[in-house]
Amino acid sequence: AQSVTQPDIHITVSEGASLELRCNYSYGATPYLFWYVQSPGQGLQLLLKYFSGDTLVQGIKGFEAEFKRSQSSFNLRKPSVHWSDAAEYFCAVGDYGGATNKLIFGTGTLLAVQP
Amino acid sequence: DTGVSQDPRHKITKRGQNVTFRCDPISEHNRLYWYRQTLGQGPEFLTYFQNEAQLEKSRLLSDRFSAERPKGSFSTLEIQRTEQGDSAMYLCASSRPPQEPYFGPGTRLTVT
Repeated sequence: AQSVTQPDIHITVSEGASLELRCNYSYGATPYLFWYVQSPGQGLQLLLKYFSGDTLVQGIKGFEAEFKRSQSSFNLRKPSVHWSDAAEYFCAVGDYGGATNKLIFGTGTLLAVQP
Repeated sequence: DTGVSQDPRHKITKRGQNVTFRCDPISEHNRLYWYRQTLGQGPEFLTYFQNEAQLEKSRLLSDRFSAERPKGSFSTLEIQRTEQGDSAMYLCASSRPPQEPYFGPGTRLTVT
């Protein structure tokens, strides 16, 4: 069965420090991978996506993610975190090659940013 | 493009009451999805529509839940005889494959 694991429930970083959020997936075919961000009480905003091609993808707000098939990972990175990045981050895998295009989400990583 | 909208944004109801939520997708999107998100969890897929046809329902969608998309535009999600375990954020998303789904702001349901 498809699944997504985000091993870090909560991460705290200092403003200006680098960030890496981990995501591992289990999927039988070529995965379609996504990172979404959710601010408190809000819906989900897409940060970036990987469908095919270059394994390093750039997203909005200075985020990037690297797809590593050998490790079944799609980690999210940002070189310098801003206070406004404090939010919850969700990794998802999509059944895009199939019929539904539904997404399977991880449990999320809550990011706190210290001044 | 005004994005996906959901109404109401918040709903407080007493156990046993029925509630209905509405989702208006992005106009040219033919697919519409409902997800449920409980505290501390990621969104979980409930059901989706291709135009007006409901093509898949999750096992999470008990008999008390029903979703419709009568004209292939907006959708409603009704929960009958609400239970405290139904308290959650209900998210709607729409897409036009192969593009990714766009999510609405969600409806927060609290069952007292």
